[in-house]
Amino acid sequence: EPEVTQTPSHQVTQMGQEVILRCVPISNHLYFYWYRQILGQKVEFLVSFYNNEISEKSEIFDDQFSVERPDGSNFTLKIRSTKLEDSAMYFCASKGQRMLDQPQHFGDGTRLSIL
Amino acid sequence: AQSVAQPEDQVNVAEGNPLTVKCTYSVSGNPYLFWYVQYPNRGLQFLLKYITGDNLVKGSYGFEAEFNKSQTSFHLKKPSALVSDSALYFCAVRDSSASKIIFGSGTRLSIRP
Repeated sequence: EPEVTQTPSHQVTQMGQEVILRCVPISNHLYFYWYRQILGQKVEFLVSFYNNEISEKSEIFDDQFSVERPDGSNFTLKIRSTKLEDSAMYFCASKGQRMLDQPQHFGDGTRLSIL
Repeated sequence: AQSVAQPEDQVNVAEGNPLTVKCTYSVSGNPYLFWYVQYPNRGLQFLLKYITGDNLVKGSYGFEAEFNKSQTSFHLKKPSALVSDSALYFCAVRDSSASKIIFGSGTRLSIRP
C-alpha cells in the first residue's frame, strides 16, 4: 500500500535556526496537510495545501512558517526562526480526492527538537 | 465550531474482553467522523469513518464504531481485545466547510495479557 514518507525522522536544531521538514505524499494525491503534536497533547492542524497554494491555515501557522511543493513529489514545511515551543512531532498527510469523507493518510512524522 | 471529546485518557482491558473507547462530538451540519490509531513512534493510521447510512461501521483490525445521533457519540468498539491493540486512539471530525481534521485529545488503550 502506498505511504506518505517523511524525512528526517528526528531533527535537532538550535533555537533561531531555520529548519525544513520534508514529506513525499502518496503519488496521485492532490491535497496536502501538516499537523503537529506537542508531546502529550492532541494533534493540531497547521495548514492545508492544494493546487500550489494554501487552502487553510490555523492560528499556529504564523509568519515563521511556510509550505512549498518545490517539485512534483515533495511537500515541505519550513520554520524560519525556530523557538523552543516549536518542539513537537510534525505529521504530513495527503488525500486523493476532494470529497470530505475521504480519509487523510499520514506519514510517521518528524520529531523536531529545539535546543 | 466542530469539536470532539474523548473523556478517558486511558482505558485498560484484559485480553479477550470487549473494549470501548468513547467519543462525543459537536458539529454544525452533517458529521464526518473518523477514528485513527497511533502506534509508538508511528503516524496516524486510519481505522474507520462514518459519513452516512448504517450507524454501525466496520473498520480495520476488527474494530467497529457506533454512531448515535441522539447522544452525539461515536464510540469505538471491538468484541475481543488483543494485546497488539495497545496504542493511542484518536477520534476526529472533519470540518464540513473546510479541509482540516479536528482531533480529540486521544485515549491510550492498554490491553493486558
